[in-house]
Amino acid sequence: GAVVSQHPSRVICKSGTSVKIECRSLDFQATTMFWYRQFPKKSLMLMATSNEGSKATYEQGVEKDKFLINHASLTLSTLTVTSAHPEDSSFYICSASGRELSYNEQFFGPGTRLTVL
Amino acid sequence: AQSVTQLDSQVPVFEEAPVELRCNYSSSVSVYLFWYVQYPNQGLQLLLKYLSGSTLVKGINGFEAEFNKSQTSFHLRKPSVHISDTAEYFCAVSGPYNDYKLSFGAGTTVTVRA
Repeated sequence: GAVVSQHPSRVICKSGTSVKIECRSLDFQATTMFWYRQFPKKSLMLMATSNEGSKATYEQGVEKDKFLINHASLTLSTLTVTSAHPEDSSFYICSASGRELSYNEQFFGPGTRLTVL
Repeated sequence: AQSVTQLDSQVPVFEEAPVELRCNYSSSVSVYLFWYVQYPNQGLQLLLKYLSGSTLVKGINGFEAEFNKSQTSFHLRKPSVHISDTAEYFCAVSGPYNDYKLSFGAGTTVTVRA
């Protein structure tokens, strides 16, 4: 149980376009979802935390108008990278936790590789 | 604030040899500790976690870790590694005073050679 999926797994886009990444909890209700960014050979950096039905809480230094997060249902959160630029190229990983799971444990999606040309 | 230091960025090891990955944390309050494994181009998979109770925690794939409060450490061990253990390993800490957000260490790359 506690499976999280992400779509797409890879996306290549042109500079200036927007890209949407979906994160779904497949077998539990995700009351909280987290979005991380990972640079090559680096650790995960938390970008934002979203609770279902509420606005996302962004970490310091993360532009909320650049990285739009929507958590409209208990099984889906989306991250939209607006007007993407090459420096936005990265590996984006989501995780989800829910009250029915032990301790607010986070379960991670497989990640989305974004390449902006 | 909580933080995690993984003392080794790269650990090369021969197959069937033991391995230890070191993790130290800093926090003034109770913490929860985790070890995750990440295979290339994949998300994170939980190896084991310490929430409370016994300080020796056993996880999946033969890994175990020991919580040492006095030394603020949570080192990960495996007595005999396989080629398939080649991956990136992350230590993480969270707690009730930061809304259970995970703070990750920089990661340790384990390369297992035949």
